[in-house]
Amino acid sequence: DVKVTQSSRYLVKRTGEKVFLECVQDMDHENMFWYRQDPGLGLRLIYFSYDVKMKEKGDIPEGYSVSREKKERFSLILESASTNQTSMYLCASRPDRGGYEQYFGPGTRLTVT
Amino acid sequence: GQNIDQPTEMTATEGAIVQINCTYQTSGFNGLFWYQQHAGEAPTFLSYNVLDGLEEKGRFSSFLSRSKGYSYLLLKELQMKDSASYLCAVRDDGPARQLTFGSGTQLTVLP
Repeated sequence: DVKVTQSSRYLVKRTGEKVFLECVQDMDHENMFWYRQDPGLGLRLIYFSYDVKMKEKGDIPEGYSVSREKKERFSLILESASTNQTSMYLCASRPDRGGYEQYFGPGTRLTVT
Repeated sequence: GQNIDQPTEMTATEGAIVQINCTYQTSGFNGLFWYQQHAGEAPTFLSYNVLDGLEEKGRFSSFLSRSKGYSYLLLKELQMKDSASYLCAVRDDGPARQLTFGSGTQLTVLP
């Protein structure tokens, strides 16, 4: 079974803090994604990566950055957290070949106060 | 870009059949996905259509018409555990094959 794990299920941070969200997948997938999910807005793509050290902006990259130093790990960084970044954050991975399905992690519910 | 529309909420009775519609306008198309998401959990893959027609998988079927920009997910013999949000997502034909998701349809199955 493909497994995508995220470092925390729930996180509470203060405005202005630097926040790291970690995602690890164990299936050697080339592609990894970070989404945020908000009521009425669905899942929106923040950043994705198609290889180690490669990254591409998604639809809403402002206020975020990412890091992919190893193939299995994709980190989302909030440089200075703000209250409008309170959301559910979902990581996903997908192979380049042999499949089209994206596998999601359990999500991190981030609250910025 | 992509624009995806699906109903916000639907209600159906246990044992019944329900159809969840999804319409999309897209600048490039490389497949349509349906995901199921229970409250507080990650989305899980249900179906994938890239050609016109019906794909059946047990109690769930998904239909696609590319010329009409239209898909539906059909759930038969509804069970209480089918209460969840159903997400329609379109994949583009760019190099990243990026998914764009609709807002989801919250289905409530009543006894």
